[in-house]
Amino acid sequence: GAVVSQHPSRVICKSGTSVKIECRSLDFQATTMFWYRQFPKQSLMLMATSNEGSKATYEQGVEKDKFLINHASLTLSTLTVTSAHPEDSSFYICSAAGWGRAKNIQYFGAGTRLSVL
Amino acid sequence: SQELEQSPQSLIVQEGKNLTINCTSSKTLYGLYWYKQKYGEGLIFLMMLQKGGEEKSHEKITAKLDEKKQQSSLHITASQPSHAGIYLCGADISRTSYDKVIFGPGTSLSVIP
Repeated sequence: GAVVSQHPSRVICKSGTSVKIECRSLDFQATTMFWYRQFPKQSLMLMATSNEGSKATYEQGVEKDKFLINHASLTLSTLTVTSAHPEDSSFYICSAAGWGRAKNIQYFGAGTRLSVL
Repeated sequence: SQELEQSPQSLIVQEGKNLTINCTSSKTLYGLYWYKQKYGEGLIFLMMLQKGGEEKSHEKITAKLDEKKQQSSLHITASQPSHAGIYLCGADISRTSYDKVIFGPGTSLSVIP
C-alpha cells in the first residue's frame, strides 16, 4: 500500500501554544488529504478535507480558525492547532488519496497524539 | 443513529476460530472499505469493494459486499493473534465524484492464543 508519513507522532504542549502536524504522501501525489480526530474507543471524526492549492473544506462544528489546514503541495498537508487548550487533546490522523492509486482509497498516517497541559 | 453500523462491537475468539464482522449502511453504498487499526496507531487499508456481490480475499481475510442489503461482511478464517485490532468499515455514500468517506464505529477483535 501507499505510504503516508505523519509527524510528530506525539506532542505535549502548554495551553495557549500552537502545534503543527505534518502529513506527507511519500510515494504518490495526494490530490486530496483528510484530517480526522479520534477520541478514545471511538471512530474517526472527519474534521476537514483539503485539496492541493485550494482552501480546506471544514465539517460542521469544526472551527477553521482554530484548526488551520494548508495543502501547499501534492505531497504535504499541515494541520495547525492554534492556541491549543486541554480540550483539544486528542488523537489526530491524516489520510491521503490521489491519482496513481486506486480511486478513492485513503491511505492513513500513523496519527499524532496531542496532549495539552 | 449512525449512518454506518458495525456488529459486533467487540469480539473475543480463541486462536484458530473463524469470525465474521458486519457493516451495515443506512444509505446506498457506492464503495465500501475495510481498514484495521491498532490502538493508538493509524489505519491499515485492507480491501475495497465496489460492485454488488463483489468478494475479495487477502491471506485469511475475505470481504463481501451485498449492495442490495447495503451490507458488507469481513470474515477471518483460522484467526491468529496478529489479527487482533480494531476493524473499521468506511463507505462512499455519495454518487458524485470523489467525496468523503464515513466510518463505522469499529469492531474490536481480541484473539486469545
